[in-house]
Amino acid sequence: KQEVTQIPAALSVPEGENLVLNCSFTDSAIYNLQWFRQDPGKGLTSLLLIQSSQREQTSGRLNASLDKSSGRSTLYIAASQPGDSATYLCAVSAAGDQTGANNLFFGTGTRLTVIP
Amino acid sequence: SQTIHQWPATLVQPVGSPLSLECTVEGTSNPNLYWYRQAAGRGLQLLFYSVGIGQISSEVPQNLSASRPQDRQFILSSKKLLLSDSGFYLCAWRGRGAYEQFFGPGTRLTVL
Repeated sequence: KQEVTQIPAALSVPEGENLVLNCSFTDSAIYNLQWFRQDPGKGLTSLLLIQSSQREQTSGRLNASLDKSSGRSTLYIAASQPGDSATYLCAVSAAGDQTGANNLFFGTGTRLTVIP
Repeated sequence: SQTIHQWPATLVQPVGSPLSLECTVEGTSNPNLYWYRQAAGRGLQLLFYSVGIGQISSEVPQNLSASRPQDRQFILSSKKLLLSDSGFYLCAWRGRGAYEQFFGPGTRLTVL
């Protein structure tokens, strides 16, 4: 069964710093990987989706990379801002899913605090 | 544009009482629908998914059930709540043939 791990569990950085969040998964046979942001008490907001055939995706100050063979993904946040404070979750879907459901397996997240 | 609604936003229920949480999606047809639970300090756990009306698959044995009476409506139910059912319940959808999942605002359930 796919297991997704995110390290560190929590991270505090001063405003303006660049930072990297890590995600690893045990089964490299994935269909895609999705990064989400979750604010306290709220639902998940999709940030970036990387297909298994892609190496990276960018959106504004965010850049997500994928190394499928090693089972790793990183989310790079440039010039961090206090508004970036949230929990960041990564999730993968399995290749060869015959159900058509494209179910996601989630990590437990990294709680980011950007200090003004 | 597509939107997803969940209600209620918060709910406090006694042990042994029934439960009904509702999720509806607007602006799309024939989506895949999902129910997740997020317990304190734990990751998201997929509870149920549905690829069509009346088609429900369960990922884990539990005290809960799900139904999809209409194309864009997904309901999570229980006949008798347990303390362990407390958590944050999230509904999500994915467009047919698309890849991204999109989540609703969630329902905070506290069972006392």
